[in-house]
Amino acid sequence: NAGVTQTPKFRILKIGQSMTLQCAQDMNHNYMYWYRQDPGMGLKLIYYSVGAGITDKGEVPNGYNVSRSTTEDFPLRLELAAPSQTSVYFCASRLTGGADEQYFGPGTRLTVT
Amino acid sequence: KNQVEQSPQSLIILEGKNCTLQCNYTVSPFSNLRWYKQDTGRGPVSLTIMTFSENTKSNGRYTATLDADTKQSSLHITASQLSDSASYICVVRGPGGNYQLIWGAGTKLIIKP
Repeated sequence: NAGVTQTPKFRILKIGQSMTLQCAQDMNHNYMYWYRQDPGMGLKLIYYSVGAGITDKGEVPNGYNVSRSTTEDFPLRLELAAPSQTSVYFCASRLTGGADEQYFGPGTRLTVT
Repeated sequence: KNQVEQSPQSLIILEGKNCTLQCNYTVSPFSNLRWYKQDTGRGPVSLTIMTFSENTKSNGRYTATLDADTKQSSLHITASQLSDSASYICVVRGPGGNYQLIWGAGTKLIIKP
């Protein structure tokens, strides 16, 4: 199993540009999450999904959109990028119930200038 | 306000020495507490998960303790190795929905040979 994969690893955007961060998992997990990690801060939840076709906002959803058309994929869309969106983005997934443990991807480092 | 605070912010120790990292939280009511290890440039990886009824949990050279009365947890690392160099993050889950994970900012641990 590849686990949770994310692409790209790095990206530089200009203010106002858009992009999609890709996330995929091959563990047949129901739950998927998008977090951002800023220097010196704890992870903040952007959006999450409890299954295909179902998404919901986390703590910091403004400026982002998600979709979940399949169990495997959970892309994060940034529209009109702003410098405040400079961060490291992590995708995670977990099974329903069980140990409640989340498995993380390697992250995407995004810089908006 | 639900918060998780970790200390110290950073720590440098010599290889082979022991160390203890601290976590204080104000999340209430409390569901469970996790410790994650995050290597530089990677996503977090779970070390332990403890419910409010568990006082101690070990994972190899890592031992986590929990005092739910004082809302404190610690992570003790025994006989440190160079590969232990990482950030260690305390995460508390409240009773709410899927985004009720409160993440600490982490302790950055450096092991010197």
